[in-house]
Amino acid sequence: DVKVTQSSRYLVKRTGEKVFLECVQDMDHENMFWYRQDPGLGLRLIYFSYDVKMKEKGDIPEGYSVSREKKERFSLILESASTNQTSMYLCASNGQTALNEQFFGPGTRLTVL
Amino acid sequence: DQQVKQNSPSLSVQEGRISILNCDYTNSMFDYFLWYKKYPAEGPTFLISISSIKDKNEDGRFTVFLNKSAKHLSLHIVPSQPGDSAVYFCAAKHGNKLVFGAGTILRVKS
Repeated sequence: DVKVTQSSRYLVKRTGEKVFLECVQDMDHENMFWYRQDPGLGLRLIYFSYDVKMKEKGDIPEGYSVSREKKERFSLILESASTNQTSMYLCASNGQTALNEQFFGPGTRLTVL
Repeated sequence: DQQVKQNSPSLSVQEGRISILNCDYTNSMFDYFLWYKKYPAEGPTFLISISSIKDKNEDGRFTVFLNKSAKHLSLHIVPSQPGDSAVYFCAAKHGNKLVFGAGTILRVKS
């Protein structure tokens, strides 16, 4: 079974702090994604990566950056956390198949005070 | 500009009856459509998909119908069970990316 793990299930940070969210997948997938989920808005793509050291902006990249130094690991960075970044953050990965079904981690509930 | 819309925020159904979740899209370039199910405090899990060249795909209690001319798809769950209570997301694939709808909360009452 594909396993996508995220470093924290719950996180509370203060405004202005630098926040790191880590994601690891064990299926040798080329592609990795970071989403945030908010009520009424569904899942919105923040950043994605097709390969090591490659990254592309998604629909809402402002205030975020990412790092992919190893194939299995994709990190989301909030350079200076703000209260409007309080959300559920979901990491996903997939391989190169026609369907491109994405496999999700359990999510990190981030609260910024 | 929402390319994938789920216009019903919630749906309540009696156990044993049919649940029908709807999804509309605007981009004709989507080549696959997927449904994901999400329980609270868990990540979404893939449920069923349909290629844009098909009009129906069935997997056990779950059937997805695609009407390309109307740019509409629906997920049918028959019979509905209390364990089906979750948030259901419709997603459309374009290239390597998925575009998600806002989700529909399904409550199945026993």
